[in-house]
Amino acid sequence: AQSVTQLGSHVSVSEGALVLLRCNYSSSVPPYLFWYVQYPNQGLQLLLKYTSAATLVKGINGFEAEFKKSETSFHLTKPSAHMSDAAEYFCAVIGNNAGNMLTFGGGTRLMVKP
Amino acid sequence: ETGVTQSPTHLIKTRGQQVTLRCSSQSGHNTVSWYQQALGQGPQFIFQYYREEENGRGNFPPRFSGLQFPNYSSELNVNALELDDSALYLCASSPSRTGDGETQYFGPGTRLLVL
Repeated sequence: AQSVTQLGSHVSVSEGALVLLRCNYSSSVPPYLFWYVQYPNQGLQLLLKYTSAATLVKGINGFEAEFKKSETSFHLTKPSAHMSDAAEYFCAVIGNNAGNMLTFGGGTRLMVKP
Repeated sequence: ETGVTQSPTHLIKTRGQQVTLRCSSQSGHNTVSWYQQALGQGPQFIFQYYREEENGRGNFPPRFSGLQFPNYSSELNVNALELDDSALYLCASSPSRTGDGETQYFGPGTRLLVL
């Protein structure tokens, strides 16, 4: 079975500070990993995805994530937070022996202080 | 290019009723997945349809059923509504089946409230 754990349901940073959102996964096979962002009253928007091509993945809006197999982690980072980054962030995994379902973590709400 | 659309945006039902939610997939996409997102939680996979056939199902009871039409639009039907069915229902489409890491593109969701 596959699962995703996001450490910290709420993260607060100051504008201009580093953003680090943590994601650990479990999967019995090499996974596909995704980060999605959800703004209030909206659906999910893809930030980036890992499909084994490169361990450091760059996404939209200045976000990137690094796949670390030894740590089973896929943490999301952004060097400098902007007020518009305030949203809910979800890490998700598809294990390629688990059918077609995206398994999501519980989400991390990012708050950005001026 | 039109993205994934869902209707209605909001819906209020009473316990025991039935509801149908609709989703139009993104142009060129033949796979549709449905997710339930309870308040304060991550989305939970309900099922996926690929070319009109069910292609995977999550841990939801049979009163959750679906259809995919020849134009790849889809419906989610829920019978005998329960209070715990109150949630945001998300539809996602992808160019093909997602077992090989295909990206799923999400619609804005339908918020269902069961009283």
